[in-house]
Amino acid sequence: EPEVTQTPSHQVTQMGQEVILRCVPISNHLYFYWYRQILGQKVEFLVSFYNNEISEKSEIFDDQFSVERPDGSNFTLKIRSTKLEDSAMYFCTHSGRGNEQYFGPGTRLTVT
Amino acid sequence: SQKIEQNSEALNIQEGKTATLTCNYTNYSPAYLQWYRQDPGRGPVFLLLIRENEKEKRKERLKVTFDTTLKQSLFHITASQPADSATYLCALGDYGQNFVFGPGTRLSVLP
Repeated sequence: EPEVTQTPSHQVTQMGQEVILRCVPISNHLYFYWYRQILGQKVEFLVSFYNNEISEKSEIFDDQFSVERPDGSNFTLKIRSTKLEDSAMYFCTHSGRGNEQYFGPGTRLTVT
Repeated sequence: SQKIEQNSEALNIQEGKTATLTCNYTNYSPAYLQWYRQDPGRGPVFLLLIRENEKEKRKERLKVTFDTTLKQSLFHITASQPADSATYLCALGDYGQNFVFGPGTRLSVLP
């Protein structure tokens, strides 16, 4: 199964700054997801995106977060005003026919 | 609220033995359950999916069972090898809903 690509691989930002994480999805897939994993903790669902609209979002995905597909191809996760606790790995995924998740390599976000 | 537990944070096993990892859940009736492997600094990699109406699934040296009465899945790696050392995650899902991941079990296969 082809993998999504994510950029950057590592982002360091100061608290209060905005960050944009990018994902290049696999063509012919309609469902995409963002997950995060704080170091040493479990993978947590953030948001699912179907046919260019948010399908479902978790409690973590508050007003500070947004997702877009600005040019119809790349898929972005924006955090408006980062907090220290936003430091984590952020994964973009797409789902297979059986709803299995295929994870991208992730972006490590470090908020200082 | 939904809760997923995996038997232990870490499991050490001797090479060649069968590793058995457990995933227990409460307050949930998933349509399917999945197992993933995660290596340090990498994203999880999908291994196996088992549906609620299936008792057992196999793939090479891997075997998964799913008991919806006990609310438990067992994940077996037979003839384990040092290369199998990783963290293994279970994830529960339902059609049209997001996935809930367990905390993972870190498996170390000792040569």
